[in-house]
Amino acid sequence: GAVVSQHPSWVICKSGTSVKIECRSLDFQATTMFWYRQFPKQSLMLMATSNEGSKATYEQGVEKDKFLINHASLTLSTLTVTSAHPEDSSFYICSTSPWSANNEQFFGPGTRLTVL
Amino acid sequence: RKEVEQDPGPFNVPEGATVAFNCTYSNSASQSFFWYRQDCRKEPKLLMSVYSSGNEDGRFTAQLNRASQYISLLIRDSKLSDSATYLCVVTRDDKIIFGKGTRLHILP
Repeated sequence: GAVVSQHPSWVICKSGTSVKIECRSLDFQATTMFWYRQFPKQSLMLMATSNEGSKATYEQGVEKDKFLINHASLTLSTLTVTSAHPEDSSFYICSTSPWSANNEQFFGPGTRLTVL
Repeated sequence: RKEVEQDPGPFNVPEGATVAFNCTYSNSASQSFFWYRQDCRKEPKLLMSVYSSGNEDGRFTAQLNRASQYISLLIRDSKLSDSATYLCVVTRDDKIIFGKGTRLHILP
């Protein structure tokens, strides 16, 4: 199957700092990537859809100025959590597909963010 | 009403038993259907795609009922390793909608 990587796998930071998370498709090109957040014992929640070469589409309730998404190439999307606070501590996961979104999604291994 | 709904469980099932989950979706324009499995603190992984004709993979059977707008997953001869959260996923217009997941605990 297609391989998707995320970096870093975990990060601990102080409140107020910004954290960048990378999502890479390793063996295929991805025009669309999806970013999710999952709090402990809760379900995955789609945050935004990242489109190569254009602006991301954010889900209702997700602040686009707080969660900056850049999809500058066909293999890389980044999510930057700006001025992170403890309530942003969560498991952030990306997914993408070599085909359209109507096909199987391949997920990155996730990034566990802890904001102190 | 949420677009994709699942019983959150947990389902506590003895090893070797058969267990079934349903997932309902509200938008008749939904196009593709999947079951994913997510283990604790891990990313989701595809378990099965769900087709109108139904499909079977070993102990797992998935079915789609477009008229009633639900999909189902049947697990036969359950194993301890089947303990996980099972996510129902529906796509529509290049949008992916996840159910909240059903937690399954297989008891020894």
